Amino acid sequence: DAGVIQSPRHEVTEMGQEVTLRCKPISGHNSLFWYRQTMMRGLELLIYFNNNVPIDDSGMPEDRFSAKMPNASFSTLKIQPSEPRDSAVYFCASRTAENTEAFFGQGTRLTVV
Amino acid sequence: ILNVEQSPQSLHVQEGDSTNFTCSFPSSNFYALHWYRWETAKSPEALFVMTLNGDEKKKGRISATLNTKEGYSYLYIKGSQPEDSATYLCAFLKDSNYQLIWGAGTKLIIKP
Repeated sequence: DAGVIQSPRHEVTEMGQEVTLRCKPISGHNSLFWYRQTMMRGLELLIYFNNNVPIDDSGMPEDRFSAKMPNASFSTLKIQPSEPRDSAVYFCASRTAENTEAFFGQGTRLTVV
Repeated sequence: ILNVEQSPQSLHVQEGDSTNFTCSFPSSNFYALHWYRWETAKSPEALFVMTLNGDEKKKGRISATLNTKEGYSYLYIKGSQPEDSATYLCAFLKDSNYQLIWGAGTKLIIKP
């Protein structure tokens, strides 16, 4: 397996534009996490899916952020409209429901100018 | 509120010295404790998954212990090398389907 795959690796966009980040979890993993890494807060959980169903989205900053998982092999995190304070590295991770570790993607570095 | 705390926040260690740091977590409803290593500009990678009180796991020069009754885990690095420089994160689970609750990490810097 190629691991957790995120795209794009880098995204530079202008303030007000819509940004969509993508994640393909490891096949067979039924839990998927979106995290944001910032200097101030470290690794911050945004949303957590289990079997494609959002379980905890309390970390989603505001209504500008939305996430979907239409099937077991794909998830998106959308920011609309984007703001400069959204600039961060966004990680996707997946794991199985059994007691195994989380596997992280390489991250998407988002810069909003 | 579930709280996972790591100490110290950062640590400078001379190359060749051994070191250790702590992860504290709720001692009730324990399911598992994970340790991850996070190098700059990379993504976190798992070191250990620990489930049983008294567990001790080892990978090369790195080892970890677990005390679920008192709610702490130690990570030890023996004979630190420059490549050990990274942020070490622990994460707590209260059941198998629950989200990982992350500590803020211990940033380890090895001085040559």
